[in-house]
Amino acid sequence: QVQLVQSGAEVKTPGASVKLSCKASGYIFSFHTMQWVRQAPGQRLEWMGWINGDSNRRYSQKFQGRITITRDTSANTAYMELSSLRSEDTAVYYCARDLGIVGPAFDPWGQGTLVTVSS
Amino acid sequence: QSVLTQPPSASGTPGQTVTISCSGSSSNIGSNSVYWYQQLPGTAPKLLMYSNDQRPSGVPDRFSGSKSGTSASLAISGLRSEDEADYYCATWDDTLSGQDVVFGGGTKLTVL
Repeated sequence: QVQLVQSGAEVKTPGASVKLSCKASGYIFSFHTMQWVRQAPGQRLEWMGWINGDSNRRYSQKFQGRITITRDTSANTAYMELSSLRSEDTAVYYCARDLGIVGPAFDPWGQGTLVTVSS
Repeated sequence: QSVLTQPPSASGTPGQTVTISCSGSSSNIGSNSVYWYQQLPGTAPKLLMYSNDQRPSGVPDRFSGSKSGTSASLAISGLRSEDEADYYCATWDDTLSGQDVVFGGGTKLTVL
């Protein structure tokens, strides 16, 4: 079945960077855009950006300059790196496969990776 | 604040029908389809509705969606205890540089 498995929880100090991974299985990885969404504790979902099969990317303006999304097709894995971390970046980070319908149809989602930023 | 506005909470008793609204603008809901996600406590979101009113395979027909102008709604009929979750609407927002994904603030549904 289609599955996204994300890397484990991270604890970072302010100013550091974090790189998360999202390994896909059960479908042709290069056929689908991968989305990244985060959710701070008790907060709403927040879109961060995407990367498509041609490695074109789009980032939310909120994260421009701090975010880099990449993919390794040979490993069926997408990555999201966020730099200059601050406490407000403490959140669960999700990857999600974009179904390619006209609109944000994301299915499935990874299990999420908790990133804690604390001194 | 969210680009899409949802009521923070909703509630109903088993068997009732509950409706959750999602209000946007001409640059998002007004010109794009709406999607709904269900997030059960402690889990990742799940796609519940796509293209305004289409249910993915496996989603019960108790769930229905609609869109009119710059607003959309998710209705849940025959409410069940397992429907207790957070519900988010989402769509594209058209900008000068392309399309961004926007989510509503989420609605916490309580089954009394």
